[in-house]
Amino acid sequence: DAGITQSPRHKVTETGTPVTLRCHQTENHRYMYWYRQDPGHGLRLIHYSYGVKDTDKGEVSDGYSVSRSKTEDFLLTLESATSSQTSVYFCAISESAGAADTQYFGPGTRLTVL
Amino acid sequence: GDSVTQMEGPVTLSEEAFLTINCTYTATGYPSLFWYVQYPGEGLQLLLKATKADDKGSNKGFEATYRKETTSFHLEKGSVQVSDSAVYFCALSDRAGQGAQKLVFGQGTRLTINP
Repeated sequence: DAGITQSPRHKVTETGTPVTLRCHQTENHRYMYWYRQDPGHGLRLIHYSYGVKDTDKGEVSDGYSVSRSKTEDFLLTLESATSSQTSVYFCAISESAGAADTQYFGPGTRLTVL
Repeated sequence: GDSVTQMEGPVTLSEEAFLTINCTYTATGYPSLFWYVQYPGEGLQLLLKATKADDKGSNKGFEATYRKETTSFHLEKGSVQVSDSAVYFCALSDRAGQGAQKLVFGQGTRLTINP
């Protein structure tokens, strides 16, 4: 199994509060991704990183920001959480970016915004 | 943009039954195709993949063939087990920009196998 951990695994927070989720990898992979999983939608890409300090937006990036100061860590921040951001968040990594390259997923963080 | 459509779930089968989960896709290019599986409380694991037309991916008794003519990648298994109960996701690779690839997922199909 790829060495990917996410923290926290579960979080309950209130509307309007900031929240930061952490993804940590031990594989030294260049690419890291944040997805959210919602019923009826599968997983959708929020943001991704193609190197240290290099990040870009995915299809559902509104209300989220990311940072990557080290190869192994990719942080997802909800600046002011809303109930629509209640979801399960998955981090993924890949060694390279070929179309056939496998993305490896972390265990997920279940976030509830009240 | 690119998209993936999976058969509606949930799907309930008896042990040793034959399984098919349909997956069709829409893409402008020639993406790679994937099946991922999510067991309860866990993240997604790659089950199998195919990178070009007519390729067959296989793993743990599951198979799927990349059919360009029908834009399909149906998942099959000849004899399912209780341990196959999980959510299955079909996905394709798409360019995300900056040289990265993103996965575009179907909505997932929950499979339950009864003993």
